[in-house]
Amino acid sequence: NAGVTQTPKFQVLKTGQSMTLQCAQDMNHEYMSWYRQDPGMGLRLIHYSVGAGITDQGEVPNGYNVSRSTTEDFPLRLLSAAPSQTSVYFCASSYMGLAAIPSYNEQFFGPGTRLTVL
Amino acid sequence: KNEVEQSPQNLTAQEGEFITINCSYSVGISALHWLQQHPGGGIVSLFMLSSGKKKHGRLIATINIQEKHSSLHITASHPRDSAVYICAAPSGGTSYGKLTFGQGTILTVHP
Repeated sequence: NAGVTQTPKFQVLKTGQSMTLQCAQDMNHEYMSWYRQDPGMGLRLIHYSVGAGITDQGEVPNGYNVSRSTTEDFPLRLLSAAPSQTSVYFCASSYMGLAAIPSYNEQFFGPGTRLTVL
Repeated sequence: KNEVEQSPQNLTAQEGEFITINCSYSVGISALHWLQQHPGGGIVSLFMLSSGKKKHGRLIATINIQEKHSSLHITASHPRDSAVYICAAPSGGTSYGKLTFGQGTILTVHP
């Protein structure tokens, strides 16, 4: 299994540009999520999905869109990049579990995408 | 006050030393994750525990649910243990148990 994969690994954008960060997993996990990691702050949840066709906002969703058309893929779209979105982005996945609370289950992280917005 | 607090923020040790990293959380769910982030940036799950103690090789994690406190211990530390260690607690509510992360403890082990 490849686990959780993310592309690209590095990206530089200009303010106002749009782009999509790709995330895929081959473990048939129902739950997928996007986090951003900034210096001095813990990982913060941007958006999450509990299955194909179902997405919801996390704690820092502004400026980002997601969709989940398949179980495997969960792309994150930056609509109009801003310098405040300079960060490292991690995609993660896990099983929902019997209690349907994925945060009680092991989390699998992708390698991250380092994004710089000029 | 952060919902998940780790201490210390930075830790330097000599090879072979016993290391303890602490995590206190105020969110209301009775479980905790320990994660390891390598210098290259990748994050891996070490433990998820809801009671007692878990051991994997030289790593031991303990949790006290009543006190909302967990510790990660590394015995016979090695330079390859140098990494950022992150604890995360599931919060309550309806958001499928959102994880709240600590800021991480930067561990450096010198030979």
